[in-house]
Amino acid sequence: DGGITQSPKYLFRKEGQNVTLSCEQNLNHDAMYWYRQDPGQGLRLIYYSQIVNDFQKGDIAEGYSVSREKKESFPLTVTSAQKNPTAFYLCASSLRAGGMLTEAFFGQGTRLTVV
Amino acid sequence: GDSVTQMEGPVTLSEEAFLTINCTYTATGYPSLFWYVQYPGEGLQLLLKATKADDKGSNKGFEATYRKETTSFHLEKGSVQVSDSAVYFCALSDPRGSTLGRLYFGRGTQLTVWP
Repeated sequence: DGGITQSPKYLFRKEGQNVTLSCEQNLNHDAMYWYRQDPGQGLRLIYYSQIVNDFQKGDIAEGYSVSREKKESFPLTVTSAQKNPTAFYLCASSLRAGGMLTEAFFGQGTRLTVV
Repeated sequence: GDSVTQMEGPVTLSEEAFLTINCTYTATGYPSLFWYVQYPGEGLQLLLKATKADDKGSNKGFEATYRKETTSFHLEKGSVQVSDSAVYFCALSDPRGSTLGRLYFGRGTQLTVWP
C-alpha cells in the first residue's frame, strides 16, 4: 500500500541532544512538508521541499534542519537550539500534476518528548 | 498573507444532531480549500476539498461549499455519529503559487458526539 511512514511513533530525548525524525513516502509525490502541532493550536509549517536537494524554511524553522537527498525521504533533525521541542510532528506530501500541487497526505506523526 | 479562522471548540452534540463548523479564510490568490480530520493520536486525514468557487466537497455525509463572496467554507453534516468524534481542521493552499502548495490551518475544532 502506498503511503507516508513516520518513525518512530514516540521519541524521548534528553535536553541538549539532537534527534532525527524519519519520513518516507512511496507515493512518488514531488513535494514534502514538516508541520509541528501543539495542543490547542493548528499546525505550523517548519520546512518544505518541492524537489530533491532543495528546501525552504517555513514559519518556525529555527532550531530545525532538513535534507532532501532522495525524492521519497525528508528527514527532520530537531537540534539542541530548538527551545521547546516537545510536540507532535507531522510529515506530509503532495503531487504536482498539471502545474499544480494536489492535496497533501499526512503520516501518522511522531510524538517527541524532551525529558 | 493567507490565513484561516475556524470556529472555536469544543463542540458537543448528541447523536443524530446537525453539525456546523464555521470556517472563513483570507487569501491573495485562488486557493484550494480543505477539511481534514484527526482522530486521537493519529495524523490528519483529508475529509473533503474544493478547488474553485461554488464547488461543493462531500464525503461520508459531510459537506462544505466554497463561497468566494463570503470567503467561507463551512463544514456541515446532517446527522452526526459517535464515530465522528475527532478534531476537524479547515485549511487552504495556493496550488499554483510560490508557496508550493503549503497548507495554512485553522486552530482546529474538537467535536464530541454522545450516544
